[in-house]
Amino acid sequence: AQTVTQSQPEMSVQEAETVTLSCTYDTSESDYYLFWYKQPPSRQMILVIRQEAYKQQNATENRFSVNFQKAAKSFSLKISDSQLGDAAMYFCAYRSYMNYGGSQGNLIFGKGTKLSVKP
Amino acid sequence: GAVVSQHPSRVICKSGTSVKIECRSLDFQATTMFWYRQFPKKSLMLMATSNEGSKATYEQGVEKDKFLINHASLTLSTLTVTSAHPEDSSFYICSARQGYNQPQHFGDGTRLSIL
Repeated sequence: AQTVTQSQPEMSVQEAETVTLSCTYDTSESDYYLFWYKQPPSRQMILVIRQEAYKQQNATENRFSVNFQKAAKSFSLKISDSQLGDAAMYFCAYRSYMNYGGSQGNLIFGKGTKLSVKP
Repeated sequence: GAVVSQHPSRVICKSGTSVKIECRSLDFQATTMFWYRQFPKKSLMLMATSNEGSKATYEQGVEKDKFLINHASLTLSTLTVTSAHPEDSSFYICSARQGYNQPQHFGDGTRLSIL
């Protein structure tokens, strides 16, 4: 079974600075998706960034970028020029690429990292 | 972008009441919908997965008779918490997906409080 581990329960960053959130995962599959979701106090889950495992190039979305190390099974999120609105819970998630063994392809979440942004 | 509407956003009711939560995909046909439960400061716990027209697949430890899931159409899934008790109080989130390799979109969640 796949697992996702976020080893940082809480992180803090100064406004305008850069912060990196860690995520590691375990899988025997070769093709899969990885995601970072943001959950602000309003509780809605917002997709931040997505990475397909077969792509070597790291995904980027404006101030958000990932460092995807497939061999190390690592998928960290870098937030540049942090803003107050970035304060939220961040969840790393894994999803199988194909419905291996009847998998429904549900997201497997890490426990989350609470990010605080200091003005 | 794709939108998933979840209703109601908050419910407060007495113990023993049954509560229905609706999840609608507004601009796409959701062949698969997921229901999650989230405890305070915790991650999302998958409760069940439902495919349109089929019985839901429940995760281990989730009571089928307690949490009734219906996915009768490609745009609507409902979760009914039957005879709710205080321990059922939680934040419930639905999610919908059009196809297997399509993005999974989340509703805003429902905060259920049982007195």
